[in-house]
Amino acid sequence: QSALTQPPSVSGSPGQSVTISCTGTSSDIDSYNRVSWYQQSPGTAPKLIIYEVTNRPSGVPDRFSGSKSGNTASLTISGLQAEDEADYYCSSYTSSSTSVLFGGGTKLTVL
Amino acid sequence: EVQLVESGGGLVQPGGSLRLSCAASGFIFTGYWMSWVRQAPGKGLEWVANIKPDGGDNYYVDSVKGRFTISRDNAKNSVFLQMNNLRAEDTAMYYCARGRFCSRTTCSYFDFWGQGTLVTVSS
Repeated sequence: QSALTQPPSVSGSPGQSVTISCTGTSSDIDSYNRVSWYQQSPGTAPKLIIYEVTNRPSGVPDRFSGSKSGNTASLTISGLQAEDEADYYCSSYTSSSTSVLFGGGTKLTVL
Repeated sequence: EVQLVESGGGLVQPGGSLRLSCAASGFIFTGYWMSWVRQAPGKGLEWVANIKPDGGDNYYVDSVKGRFTISRDNAKNSVFLQMNNLRAEDTAMYYCARGRFCSRTTCSYFDFWGQGTLVTVSS
């Protein structure tokens, strides 16, 4: 089964904004408002930071925001901080796959 | 506070077996799907298995079908992953996660994760 497509890496300086894309198909991202994003800092478990495209769990800073257009979802991190350096994974509900869909992950470097 | 605590990982030879456990607390366990997600060293996330709240149905990624079994004990707020006939490619950190709005082999999202337990398959 196909995974969602993310850029391998992105970078930005403290205070700047970065956007991570996640491209799927008409069977997943385009059809459902059920995109989620996870942050994984080195040596730790993944942490949910966005669910259902735009919603933030309690405790997640509003610097993190999600959006979707067609079959591509995006995670935007504004006001970058050193602690944001981590791997980020997208995921989507799907009607066609025999597995939960995850993206390959994007490594965010804060310069 | 929701907590998921995995245990049972370790070093096992190819063809061997391991049983992973996940102890849940801080929420009404019987109300939620539970899942196992793994991450091979240096790689991305891979969903492994789902189990319904009542334990009546379970679902697997194709690569583990017939070798892994997910189960749960709702009286003990625990979920398990019995792994048989292990292969080198099963080497990974295994995470227990709470799935939300799941349907068979997919979930809308995983809102809480354990710290993981490492499984290494090697001779």
